Amino acid sequence: GENVEQHPSTLSVQEGDSAVIKCTYSDSASNYFPWYKQELGKRPQLIIDIRSNVGEKKDQRIAVTLNKTAKHFSLHITETQPEDSAVYFCAASGGGGNKLTFGTGTQLKVEL
Amino acid sequence: DAGITQSPRHKVTETGTPVTLRCHQTENHRYMYWYRQDPGHGLRLIHYSYGVKDTDKGEVSDGYSVSRSKTEDFLLTLESATSSQTSVYFCAISGNPGQASEAFFGQGTRLTVV
Repeated sequence: GENVEQHPSTLSVQEGDSAVIKCTYSDSASNYFPWYKQELGKRPQLIIDIRSNVGEKKDQRIAVTLNKTAKHFSLHITETQPEDSAVYFCAASGGGGNKLTFGTGTQLKVEL
Repeated sequence: DAGITQSPRHKVTETGTPVTLRCHQTENHRYMYWYRQDPGHGLRLIHYSYGVKDTDKGEVSDGYSVSRSKTEDFLLTLESATSSQTSVYFCAISGNPGQASEAFFGQGTRLTVV
């Protein structure tokens, strides 16, 4: 089955700096790569996603890049703000049942 | 938020007792999932369903069973609860057959096995 690795597990940045979180996946059949944000005590919520026919996608301060050859994808957050502090999860899907396999999460802390 | 509700939201139970968690959706989505969330492990798939009475195992299915007798309900049963099943459980739904798509999560159920 699919295996998703995510790094780093914790990330601390100064407000206004950029943050980058990286994930690798194992199944070359995976074709959908979402990113979720989870605030403390809340449910995970989608912030951006990308499909395998696209190399990059951007939504305001958030961007995701995908390298199918190397089987890795990354989340980029620019001009970080305190409200960006949360746990971020990457995931990959493409197998039967639309199953999402998640990475282990990155705790992002944006310091003032 | 997508119409997905988990019950109960919190539960404390004793080792060896059976426990059933319920996920109810009003979105008519085809796919439903049960994940558990533990520190350092992210979200791990327990079981999923791709239609009424159609279910399959995820990566951590031992000790759990599921049933889906209606489109809107997906039940997760811990047959004999153990302390290792203390966790936060999330139900999720997604809708588009033939193409992987966004999963919407319920509010979560915090289960403590003592």
